[in-house]
Amino acid sequence: GNSVTQMEGPVTLSEEAFLTINCTYTATGYPSLFWYVQYPGEGLQLLLKATKADDKGSNKGFEATYRKETTSFHLEKGSVQVSDSAVYFCALTLNTGTASKLTFGTGTRLQVTL
Amino acid sequence: EAGVAQSPRYKIIEKRQSVAFWCNPISGHATLYWYQQILGQGPKLLIQFQNNGVVDDSQLPKDRFSAERLKGVDSTLKIQPAKLEDSAVYLCASSPSIRLDTEAFFGQGTRLTVV
Repeated sequence: GNSVTQMEGPVTLSEEAFLTINCTYTATGYPSLFWYVQYPGEGLQLLLKATKADDKGSNKGFEATYRKETTSFHLEKGSVQVSDSAVYFCALTLNTGTASKLTFGTGTRLQVTL
Repeated sequence: EAGVAQSPRYKIIEKRQSVAFWCNPISGHATLYWYQQILGQGPKLLIQFQNNGVVDDSQLPKDRFSAERLKGVDSTLKIQPAKLEDSAVYLCASSPSIRLDTEAFFGQGTRLTVV
């Protein structure tokens, strides 16, 4: 079946450090790929997306590139801030024939300290 | 634009009791999802509606869970009877389209504790 695998957390970084959160997927077909973020006390919200191979999604300094050859969509940020502390979810959508189904990974908690 | 509204925010019940959650999606969004998020795990899709029809309920435990979306707008999710393992956050989301590249908008969720 279709699935998303993320690196386990928590990830603890100092402010201004470089961030990578790994995400790989398994899918029959050509999914769209997403990163959603959940800040403390808030609902899930879209961070960025990419809809085809080699597309790069970007937002708020975060980037991720859709790599079909390695079935990956790793999240990166060059310099993290304390305000980036949150849980990050990698996700994909795939057409089931009648609709698109949104499937999530298990999430990676990021803690950024001063 | 108003977001996805869910109520209640928190609920504590005893096992074998019943509980219902309510969701009001963003106006005009045809697709509505219910997810279950157990602590430390990613959201798991329970049921997906397109307007008022079910398009995916393959992971819904139908012996105890039910959901409806009357008139293709609001939705309710019910658990009867609840078990301890149903303790989780129940998320409602809506989307304007079934296109693969369309963002889903989430409510803040209902945290259910079964004791």
